[in-house]
Amino acid sequence: QVQLQESGPGLVKPSQTLSLTCTVSGGSITSGHYYWSWIRQPAGKGLEWIGRVYTSGYTNYNPSLKSRVTISLDTSKNHFSLRLTSVTAADTAIYYCARVQLGFNWFDPWGQGALVTVSS
Amino acid sequence: SYVLTQPPSVSVAPGQTARMTCGGYNIGSKRVHWYQQKPGQAPVLVVYDDSDRPSGIPERFSGSNSGNTATLNISRVEAGDEGDYYCQVWESSSDHYVFGPGTKVTVL
Repeated sequence: QVQLQESGPGLVKPSQTLSLTCTVSGGSITSGHYYWSWIRQPAGKGLEWIGRVYTSGYTNYNPSLKSRVTISLDTSKNHFSLRLTSVTAADTAIYYCARVQLGFNWFDPWGQGALVTVSS
Repeated sequence: SYVLTQPPSVSVAPGQTARMTCGGYNIGSKRVHWYQQKPGQAPVLVVYDDSDRPSGIPERFSGSNSGNTATLNISRVEAGDEGDYYCQVWESSSDHYVFGPGTKVTVL
């Protein structure tokens, strides 16, 4: 059974770059036909889809974040990554990674989430 | 961009049925997915493709979708069903995923 685990710094300074990794266990990130996504949730608020990367490397992003986001695969480490540049306090949130199977547009499974705080 | 609406809260007595809606323009033409999120935990898929349940999700969870409203029902509600419930669709025209704002379910 595939499991996802987020990791990365829990504190990032304003104007710097947020970087997170989602490690996939129990299966290869390149096997099957899957989109690997990032979703975030500010404290006490709802879920916001950030973007996704396909096993081919194809990406697409939420327009509201597109200018600042990069999602990439590292097949040698069986993980995918999120980079969000020029962060502000508004980017403080729990960041989740999740999987979507091609042709089926729901998220399952999810990682447990990683809290990232933007503060000086 | 496509917008989903959900009531902020629903309260229900144990053993009764909780009904929560997810509104969107012509949402009946889309496939709606529902997630349960308990405090401090990641969301969990409870219904996909309007009305199907993943393995391990009780039959008490059921969904429907027609017109401009999708509905998630939880029958025979238990204290453990408390949490936030989010609907989600894939917007084909923009190739993006959209979440509703969530409904907080409180068991009285």
